[in-house]
Amino acid sequence: DTAVSQTPKYLVTQMGNDKSIKCEQNLGHDTMYWYKQDSKKFLKIMFSYNNKELIINETVPNRFSPKSPDKAHLNLHINSLELGDSAVYFCASSLKETQYFGPGTRLLVL
Amino acid sequence: AQSVTQPDIHITVSEGASLELRCNYSYGATPYLFWYVQSPGQGLQLLLKYFSGDTLVQGIKGFEAEFKRSQSSFNLRKPSVHWSDAAEYFCAVLIQGAQKLVFGQGTRLTINP
Repeated sequence: DTAVSQTPKYLVTQMGNDKSIKCEQNLGHDTMYWYKQDSKKFLKIMFSYNNKELIINETVPNRFSPKSPDKAHLNLHINSLELGDSAVYFCASSLKETQYFGPGTRLLVL
Repeated sequence: AQSVTQPDIHITVSEGASLELRCNYSYGATPYLFWYVQSPGQGLQLLLKYFSGDTLVQGIKGFEAEFKRSQSSFNLRKPSVHWSDAAEYFCAVLIQGAQKLVFGQGTRLTINP
């Protein structure tokens, strides 16, 4: 009965590859988010979607493309991975003001 | 600009001692404030939140926080820490309208036995 789930939990890949991270929420929320946590633990929003529509795009490189097939899912596709993309990526969802986070996906680009 | 500052990067306390983690915010309107905890290798768990009303809010795991508008602060407290409280703690403010959270830098809490 996990509220916000992400797959995979760990992702190790080579520079230049393309990878996707999936997020699903079973809370009935209509807004979903992607946050990036860097090596210094700093958290910053990347994207948000409300009812499958993009609301926030925080000057993220266009190698990152979110996709929301329905309001319970928000996936993140990353093209041409770079070393600097190594981070923990958190998905979150909300109905009103409170955001609930998934367990994170730890991405390591070699 | 909206921002959150957590002045203490790392705090060490003894098990059973009291704890206070500091958080200062900069926000033009009435802030919606949150504390989240991140245990090692885990996701972010919501501890408590303040939107309005009573300025002392209670959360899970015995934590509380006090909103002080005059000091632009929202400090987290616990009267007696347990070894399982060792984690990273994040204070955040919600940018209303944009519905995005702006986080502080985090405070790492270490518990001495």
